[in-house]
Amino acid sequence: ETGVTQSPTHLIKTRGQQVTLRCSSQSGHNTVSWYQQALGQGPQFIFQYYREEENGRGNFPPRFSGLQFPNYSSELNVNALELDDSALYLCASSGSRGTGSGANVLTFGAGSRLTVL
Amino acid sequence: GENVEQHPSTLSVQEGDSAVIKCTYSDSASNYFPWYKQELGKGPQLIIDIRSNVGEKKDQRIAVTLNKTAKHFSLHITETQPEDSAVYFCAASPMNTGFQKLVFGTGTRLLVSP
Repeated sequence: ETGVTQSPTHLIKTRGQQVTLRCSSQSGHNTVSWYQQALGQGPQFIFQYYREEENGRGNFPPRFSGLQFPNYSSELNVNALELDDSALYLCASSGSRGTGSGANVLTFGAGSRLTVL
Repeated sequence: GENVEQHPSTLSVQEGDSAVIKCTYSDSASNYFPWYKQELGKGPQLIIDIRSNVGEKKDQRIAVTLNKTAKHFSLHITETQPEDSAVYFCAASPMNTGFQKLVFGTGTRLLVSP
């Protein structure tokens, strides 16, 4: 089975620009989550997509948005980039959205490292 | 919301020694506690997890213990090897939100010296 793949691996943007990051979920997984990992910190939850809809969001402003496609792949879009957006952006997939007592194992990709100058 | 604290931030051991990393969480509704290993330039990789209906789980040299009353969980690595050197993250998954998210600790950098 293939794992979670992300692209691009590295990119540099300037303040005010927009960026799109892409993720292909692990085979058989229908739920995608995105996390932001600042240098030296643990990952922070941005949002989760299930059946092409956002069904959970962390403490991130609306300029962070996403999409999930019918093949379960996903995009993370960030508008009006700020210096503090510099981080490793991680995509994770799982077999379901994990409601009730059904917490699921998340499989992470290697991430996209964004530098905002 | 859930808050996870992790200690120590760095841990240096000699090859063959044991290593213990401790985490505490705040939300008593959390019921899933995974541990991830992150090597340089890579994403976090799940190494072991435990659910709240179990007090201990072991997988070869790695074990995790959970104390729900005290809201503590710990990672134990025995017979450490240089390839165990990495950053380790604990996490907790708050439930009853209609979706799953992990709340991570701040990480422990483990260095195993030959």
